[in-house]
Amino acid sequence: DAGVIQSPRHEVTEMGQEVTLRCKPISGHNSLFWYRQTMMRGLELLIYFNNNVPIDDSGMPEDRFSAKMPNASFSTLKIQPSEPRDSAVYFCASSFTGPVRPQHFGDGTRLSIL
Amino acid sequence: GESVGLHLPTLSVQEGDNSIINCAYSNSASDYFIWYKQESGKGPQFIIDIRSNMDKRQGQRVTVLLNKTVKHLSLQIAATQPGDSAVYFCAESPQAGTALIFGKGTTLSVSS
Repeated sequence: DAGVIQSPRHEVTEMGQEVTLRCKPISGHNSLFWYRQTMMRGLELLIYFNNNVPIDDSGMPEDRFSAKMPNASFSTLKIQPSEPRDSAVYFCASSFTGPVRPQHFGDGTRLSIL
Repeated sequence: GESVGLHLPTLSVQEGDNSIINCAYSNSASDYFIWYKQESGKGPQFIIDIRSNMDKRQGQRVTVLLNKTVKHLSLQIAATQPGDSAVYFCAESPQAGTALIFGKGTTLSVSS
């Protein structure tokens, strides 16, 4: 079975540029999560969706970050304009909604903002 | 604030030994706990989970123990192998329908 698919795997761009990260969740999962991982702060939740609706975006750093889920099989995380402090590994995860709900992660996008 | 923390940042064991990775959580209302393994360059991989109405759950070579009295979670790995070398994270779900809160991680290093 296909797991969570993220693209691109690596992204290097200059500050000020727009960055779009993509995620395809596991088919049938109805919850989707975006995380950011850095050495200093560990794994932080940015936003999550249930049934394509954003439920909690309190982890989104600032207005430069936005996330969308136009349908059950696709989500994007956009940073505009990007800054060097946005450099991190960004993970997408998906799960079923319910009391027993292990999240399954993609292999992440390693983002470097120069 | 509410957080999940780990007692030890690194753990070094010999191949064949049993490993125990510990985790403390702060929210007594948390109802779901999960362990992940993360290898270099990959995303966290689900290992095992447990609900708050249980105190022990076993998988293949792994056992998770939950002590709600002292708000402690542990992961035991039997007959540790070099392939078990990775960073291990515990996570909790403070209440139904909310996202997981992750700890900082413990690095497990297995030498042969």
